Amino acid sequence: NAGVTQTPKFRVLKTGQSMTLLCAQDMNHEYMYWYRQDPGMGLRLIHYSVGEGTTAKGEVPDGYNVSRLKKQNFLLGLESAAPSQTSVYFCASSYSDRGTQYFGPGTRLTVL
Amino acid sequence: AQSVTQLGSHVSVSEGALVLLRCNYSSSVPPYLFWYVQYPNQGLQLLLKYTTGATLVKGINGFEAEFKKSETSFHLTKPSAHMSDAAEYFCAATSGTYKYIFGTGTRLKVLA
Repeated sequence: NAGVTQTPKFRVLKTGQSMTLLCAQDMNHEYMYWYRQDPGMGLRLIHYSVGEGTTAKGEVPDGYNVSRLKKQNFLLGLESAAPSQTSVYFCASSYSDRGTQYFGPGTRLTVL
Repeated sequence: AQSVTQLGSHVSVSEGALVLLRCNYSSSVPPYLFWYVQYPNQGLQLLLKYTTGATLVKGINGFEAEFKKSETSFHLTKPSAHMSDAAEYFCAATSGTYKYIFGTGTRLKVLA
């Protein structure tokens, strides 16, 4: 039981490049989330999903897209990376809408 | 709108001393409340959570928190700090709209 995994762990991009972050969970959770963590700002919700095939915008969705084609996977895409997207990205999942969130280990992204 | 405020971005305590990390929330409906801990270069892990019922909640590693509705608070305490408690702590709240609001975090330093 791996819980929540994220790939890659680290990535450096140049401005304008694109990439996809993959989140996978093996707990059969319906709800999945993408957050970014920046110093002094806590965690901010980018996008979330309440089930396979559904996605919704969070607090800071601009510049990001997501897809949930399979229940266990939640992908976060950056179409044209900007330095402002330099951050640590965390994926989380939960069984219910008020349940404990289980977090992945994070992806540290630097955009030059 | 829901919000979570953590007083003190940095807290230092001596080993063996009381740990008190403060969290206040604002919500139009009674929220579910959580404390998470983040160790360096790791994701967040659940310490404890309040849903309904008993207002004093016990968590892992000797931590506990008390939900006080009249004060809209959910402060985290531990009677005796240990060096291994050094980490960043996040308070979070949700009212069941799939969205969790996180505080900005409190970094705990334990002095030998």
